[in-house]
Amino acid sequence: QKEVEQDPGPLSVPEGAIVSLNCTYSNSAFQYFMWYRQYSRKGPELLMYTYSSGNKEDGRFTAQVDKSSKYISLFIRDSQPSDSATYLCATLGGSNYKLTFGKGTLLTVNP
Amino acid sequence: SAVISQKPSRDICQRGTSLTIQCQVDSQVTMMFWYRQQPGQSLTLIATANQGSEATYESGFVIDKFPISRPNLTFSTLTVSNMSPEDSSIYLCSVDLAWTEGGNEQFFGPGTRLTVL
Repeated sequence: QKEVEQDPGPLSVPEGAIVSLNCTYSNSAFQYFMWYRQYSRKGPELLMYTYSSGNKEDGRFTAQVDKSSKYISLFIRDSQPSDSATYLCATLGGSNYKLTFGKGTLLTVNP
Repeated sequence: SAVISQKPSRDICQRGTSLTIQCQVDSQVTMMFWYRQQPGQSLTLIATANQGSEATYESGFVIDKFPISRPNLTFSTLTVSNMSPEDSSIYLCSVDLAWTEGGNEQFFGPGTRLTVL
């Protein structure tokens, strides 16, 4: 079993839709949970991070972590065409400083 | 934050040749990382490069294939040696900056898109 599993999609939604992106992970030692956004031909950039369980909101974006089920989610409200990108979940924690990434989900928001 | 540049941005190479990718950061950092991003695959860590010491390679990656230099705190190179079509990928360098909450954020360069014929 891979340490972080993510449905690669692709996911195509109309503008204004609510988008739900999800990952599961296997290592209980993970403490930090991140979402990176990667536009085409660019490097990934950190979108949001959460420490331990709970929700974190930033504008139209909400990151959610459920450590009991080892489930990570990113919700995008009122999605815009500019949100079209690949979204990668990543985890970090324990004695390991290294990030572990999911495969990324390609999202397209159609005007 | 950190601003990272990579050279070249893309290249097309012949089988059996080598390519050296450069990574420059706008601030001094202790750790630099090299990743590979193959189509449909996770970002995979190749190695961690600390200034003044040998790079630490992840399982499945060896120094003979991916030699790394780290001559100072703002620069690193990754060489892809004796290339085969399976090495076609995007190669990214990143740096690690600590948060006040005790975690770390990695900043990534724009990547080098390598195609091996």
